[in-house]
Amino acid sequence: QVQLVQSGAEVKKPGASVKVSCKASGYTFTDYYIHWVRQAPGQGLEWIGWILPNNGVTNYAQKFQARVTMTRDTSINTSYMELDSLKYDDTAIYYCARDGSVGYHDYWGPGTLVTVSS
Amino acid sequence: EIVLTQSPDTLSLSPGERATLSCRASRSIPSNYLAWYQQKPGQVPRLLIYGASTRAAGIPDRFSGSGSETDFTLTISRLQPEDFALYYCQQYSTWTFGQGTMVEIK
Repeated sequence: QVQLVQSGAEVKKPGASVKVSCKASGYTFTDYYIHWVRQAPGQGLEWIGWILPNNGVTNYAQKFQARVTMTRDTSINTSYMELDSLKYDDTAIYYCARDGSVGYHDYWGPGTLVTVSS
Repeated sequence: EIVLTQSPDTLSLSPGERATLSCRASRSIPSNYLAWYQQKPGQVPRLLIYGASTRAAGIPDRFSGSGSETDFTLTISRLQPEDFALYYCQQYSTWTFGQGTMVEIK
């Protein structure tokens, strides 16, 4: 069965960086895009970007273009999302999600809470 | 950016009633690249509908999606207790979400 397992909660200071991992199992990792989506406390869903594990090609939302880097390690079926220059309003749950085929998200990870606090 | 506006913000209904949720796009969504997700408190979003009208695996047939171009609808034919939740639409042409509609028990 498809599973996405994410790294644990993080607490970071403003200006720091955070790197969240997402380990995939139950399918061929390189065949499906991985998307990253975040949800601030009590707020809606916000798309951050995607990575194609096969070749590492990425596509980021314009809002995050300057601060986000998505990478992958195909030897361990893991995707990473690194967000730099953290601000208080980056406090959110960060989800990874598999792309079903043309862009929708059919399987989601459990989420990683990132708290930005001084 | 394609902006999605969902209405209403909150829908108050009783179990057994029909729920109709709207999602309107600021411009036409190509290829009906429109999905609906359900999220319950403390849980991960769950895919309900993709391609505007195709139910995802395991989704009960009381959930149906319709629409095209800029106007889309999610219908829950007879609300079950487990259907009271937050619902988001998403366009996956350029990936944006609507702000969500809460379906609450009246």
